[in-house]
Amino acid sequence: RKEVEQDPGPFNVPEGATVAFNCTYSNSASQSFFWYRQDCRKEPKLLMSVYSSGNEDGRFTAQLNRASQYISLLIRDSKLSDSATYLCVVNGAGNNRKLIWGLGTSLAVNP
Amino acid sequence: DVKVTQSSRYLVKRTGEKVFLECVQDMDHENMFWYRQDPGLGLRLIYFSYDVKMKEKGDIPEGYSVSREKKERFSLILESASTNQTSMYLCAIQNYNEQFFGPGTRLTVL
Repeated sequence: RKEVEQDPGPFNVPEGATVAFNCTYSNSASQSFFWYRQDCRKEPKLLMSVYSSGNEDGRFTAQLNRASQYISLLIRDSKLSDSATYLCVVNGAGNNRKLIWGLGTSLAVNP
Repeated sequence: DVKVTQSSRYLVKRTGEKVFLECVQDMDHENMFWYRQDPGLGLRLIYFSYDVKMKEKGDIPEGYSVSREKKERFSLILESASTNQTSMYLCAIQNYNEQFFGPGTRLTVL
C-alpha cells in the first residue's frame, strides 16, 4: 500500500460546481497534513494546512479523519483558475522534516 | 514572503557531464530539500540538509551528491549525468512543517 494515495482523476467539472478530493495515508503516527496546488510546469504551492478540527479558507475546506486515515479537500463554486493538480502531503513518521507526497489529483474546471 | 531561487529554469547537458544545480534562500531556514518530479512518479526526495555541512539521503540519492557550505545555499550535483536523470528538479525550504519551493529546473540530458 502506498503511503499516500490519491485518485489521479482527471476531474472535469463545470464552473460553479462543488468538487471534493480524498486522500488516504498509511501511517497512523503522521501529525501534519497539507494540500498543495501545482499548475502545469510550475512548482507546488501550499494551498492549506489541514487541522484536526477542519479548516476553511474562502471556497476551500479541508477535513481530517484520523480514525479512517484520510484527508479531504472541498472546493465550492469552482472557478476556471482552480484548474490544477492538487497534491496531498503528509509528514513521515518519526521525522517531521520529511514529507510524503501523493501523486496528485488533476482538476479541470470548464466554462 | 519566502523566496527560493534556482540557478536555471532550463538546462541541457550531455551524458557524462558534471552538472551543478544551485538553490538559494533568503530567510535563514535550516532545512533544505532537493526533489525530482517525473510524470506518474510524483515528487521524490533526493537529499535534504538540516544545517550547514549536514546532509541526509532521501529516497533516491543514487547518482547525486549535495553540498551545503553556507546556510542559504544548497547545491545538487550530478557527478556524471545520464539520460535517466532528465527531470524537473525542485528545491524547497521548510518552515516548521510547511515546504516552499523554488521555480524548478527542467534538466534534459542528451
